[in-house]
Amino acid sequence: ETGVTQTPRHLVMGMTNKKSLKCEQHLGHNAMYWYKQSAKKPLELMFVYSLEERVENNSVPSRFSPECPNSSHLFLHLHTLQPEDSALYLCASSQDYKTSNQPQHFGDGTRLSIL
Amino acid sequence: TQLLEQSPQFLSIQEGENLTVYCNSSSVFSSLQWYRQEPGEGPVLLVTVVTGGEVKKLKRLTFQFGDARKDSSLHITAAQPGDTGLYLCAGHWDTGRRALTFGSGTRLQVQP
Repeated sequence: ETGVTQTPRHLVMGMTNKKSLKCEQHLGHNAMYWYKQSAKKPLELMFVYSLEERVENNSVPSRFSPECPNSSHLFLHLHTLQPEDSALYLCASSQDYKTSNQPQHFGDGTRLSIL
Repeated sequence: TQLLEQSPQFLSIQEGENLTVYCNSSSVFSSLQWYRQEPGEGPVLLVTVVTGGEVKKLKRLTFQFGDARKDSSLHITAAQPGDTGLYLCAGHWDTGRRALTFGSGTRLQVQP
């Protein structure tokens, strides 16, 4: 499924670097999400945007900074990351945020490694 | 904090065997979804269950929602190597929090 596209697929960065993850959805959805997936831990919801407005921020450190310029694009800006931030970062979208039964459509993720 | 517990965490079986994985919570779900995630890919939705006692079938996969809407199971009949992957349940609770909460998953390996 190519409805949600994430770039890059892999990223290796040092702790002092600044980089950005990009997500684009072609499904006409109004809600977009960032998740962190680490080994042996459940998918952790990081941020939710609904109609370009941030509606959830789940105690994520400020070294992660999301941006949603329009309903099709979502970015995650990274700076001064720690080794424990190494994980798979998944983007998802859904038709809207308010309806609980909505399926989420995921991208294939960015595998991030912090040296 | 509302938690979703999945069991078993890992399962390795031979092709043709049957298996069941479980998803449990102490709170009532308003709805529950099952996803499958294959290596190198994002999760893909398999099914959504909403009504207590509901049973849904997707080819060899049977999904059941508990009568009290606190638990769910996924049964696979005659497993195939193509069923290999991480199975995730995700729920919305009646408390009204709108975002999904995911379980930690069951990693299934089906050996040919």
